[in-house]
Amino acid sequence: DAGVIQSPRHEVTEMGQEVTLRCKPISGHDYLFWYRQTMMRGLELLIYFNNNVPIDDSGMPEDRFSAKMPNASFSTLKIQPSEPRDSAVYFCASRGDSGNEKLFFGSGTQLSVL
Amino acid sequence: AQSVAQPEDQVNVAEGNPLTVKCTYSVSGNPYLFWYVQYPNRGLQFLLKYITGDNLVKGSYGFEAEFNKSQTSFHLKKPSALVSDSALYFCAVRDGVDRNTGKLIFGQGTTLQVKP
Repeated sequence: DAGVIQSPRHEVTEMGQEVTLRCKPISGHDYLFWYRQTMMRGLELLIYFNNNVPIDDSGMPEDRFSAKMPNASFSTLKIQPSEPRDSAVYFCASRGDSGNEKLFFGSGTQLSVL
Repeated sequence: AQSVAQPEDQVNVAEGNPLTVKCTYSVSGNPYLFWYVQYPNRGLQFLLKYITGDNLVKGSYGFEAEFNKSQTSFHLKKPSALVSDSALYFCAVRDGVDRNTGKLIFGQGTTLQVKP
């Protein structure tokens, strides 16, 4: 398995533009998580899905952020409009419905909003 | 709410020496604790977990962690550090008793620097 795949690896955009981050979880995993990492706030959970259904979106900063999981192999995190304070590394992670609770992380998307 | 704290931003150790990366937790109920490692420009990787049972948990790459209920700590340890262990280490706690609904809450991270 190729692991969790995120795209793009790097995104540079201007304030006010729409940004879409993409994630392909490991095949067979039932849970998908979106995290954001910054120097100031560390690693924050934004939202997570179980069987494509959003379970907890309490970490989503504001209405500018939205996430979808239309099927078991694809999820998007969208920011519209983007702002400089959204600059961060965004990670997607997945795990299976088993006892070990191991999260598998993608390599992240480095987002810079100018 | 569950939380973990990593009191040190950075730990420096010489290669071959033992290392400890500290973590304390605050939970209601039984703690479910984890350690992850992040290498530069990579996502986090699972190292080990404590759910129940033995207080000394063994994990990947020769790491182990000691669960201490009285001190509410879950320190990461390795008997002999390698330069390649240099990375960012995160302690985490599951928020919720049900593994099917619980999410992981991460600490701020500790940078481990192992010098030759």
